Amino acid sequence: DADVTQTPRNRITKTGKRIMLECSQTKGHDRMYWYRQDPGLGLRLIYYSFDVKDINKGEISDGYSVSRQAQAKFSLSLESAIPNQTALYFCATSDFGREETQYFGPGTRLLVL
Amino acid sequence: QQQVKQSPQSLIVQKGGISIINCAYENTAFDYFPWYQQFPGKGPALLIAIRPDVSEKKEGRFTISFNKSAKQFSLHIMDSQPGDSATYFCAASMIETSGSRLTFGEGTQLTVNP
Repeated sequence: DADVTQTPRNRITKTGKRIMLECSQTKGHDRMYWYRQDPGLGLRLIYYSFDVKDINKGEISDGYSVSRQAQAKFSLSLESAIPNQTALYFCATSDFGREETQYFGPGTRLLVL
Repeated sequence: QQQVKQSPQSLIVQKGGISIINCAYENTAFDYFPWYQQFPGKGPALLIAIRPDVSEKKEGRFTISFNKSAKQFSLHIMDSQPGDSATYFCAASMIETSGSRLTFGEGTQLTVNP
């Protein structure tokens, strides 16, 4: 079974709709991250959480919000989706350490019409 | 602004050749430099990483070269194979108050022709 799972894997929505992307992990890691991937722009950090009570904005948080429901669950919401939020979204986890390896989920492909 | 710049955006290499991907960073506080490999339909996965106190790290056919004074590092893939075809991301991180974050480069799509 995958250590980091994301649901849904694919989603098509319309402009103005609210949607939620979910991430669950069984690695027992405290740290979780949400990234978006766009061609030519790499992976950009949206939000990150170092533990259940800690939520931080990343470099592109505008238009997004997150919820850390438990150590294992970290959800990303688009309050009112717009077409330029069409992208591939990844959740990742890591454990504490000076050289932290991030473990990525399989991604959610989102299309906003 | 991109704190880690990666080039080229795409690279085509013949089987058996050497693939070279370059990255440059701006923030001298970065102290850990990993490379991630991503296959189509998958999330990125750690390939190899280096700290700035060494100039080179080799793992099998993959080597990172690091030039601290120039603030540059590169990934060399020797004897490139079709199975190496993937997107490669360089990254940099630094320790912050309660943890560290990765800043990724733009990515390089590598195609190795048989």
